Amino acid sequence: AIQLAQSPSSLSASVGDRVTITCRASQGIATGLAWYQQKPAKPPKLLIYDASSLEDGVPSRFSGSGSGTDFTLTISSLQPGDFATYFCQQFNKYPPVFGGGTKVDIK
Amino acid sequence: EVQLVESGGGLVQTGRSLRLSCAASGFSFDRYGMHWVRQAPGKGLEWVAGISWNSGSMGYADSVMGRFIISRDNAKNSLYLQIRSLTVEDTAFYYCAKDIDYYRFVFQMWGPGTLVTVFS
Repeated sequence: AIQLAQSPSSLSASVGDRVTITCRASQGIATGLAWYQQKPAKPPKLLIYDASSLEDGVPSRFSGSGSGTDFTLTISSLQPGDFATYFCQQFNKYPPVFGGGTKVDIK
Repeated sequence: EVQLVESGGGLVQTGRSLRLSCAASGFSFDRYGMHWVRQAPGKGLEWVAGISWNSGSMGYADSVMGRFIISRDNAKNSLYLQIRSLTVEDTAFYYCAKDIDYYRFVFQMWGPGTLVTVFS
């Protein structure tokens, strides 16, 4: 199965910061990548799919880019509600696999 | 409003069986693939099973193959997961998730989850 390596595993940032999280796939997955946000004691929430398509209702400060093996989730200006854990997930090849997660907390 | 509500979790002894259910509402259930994704407390996410809109395709993670059975009843807007021969490694929150399409493995909407705790 494809493996996804997320980095960093955690980061500390301030409100207003630009935050970038990367996800690297063990083999090419075209643009078959999604990003999810999960807050404590809540289910994940879809943010981005097809590497760069913003899910309905998700603020435009979230953006995704990349193709092949290297992908990026960017939060242009971190807001208080964005402190959470973020997961990437590939769906280009079966079985679907998640990355290990990146926890974003308050500096 | 799209809503998914899981039920059937609980405390169960190793080797026993369990059936999880997911009640769906607010969308055309019979047009979308559905999945179960689990998360051990404090850990990452693991897809465990999926089923296409018409039950024509089903898939399982290697870690649960042969022990888990996914099914759906479109007339009842319900998704199920039959789990047998439970092990402590199956302890997790089990989430029901709606696919973004017929069976694309993009998890567009999630239920709040049901906790399965397995003890020996």
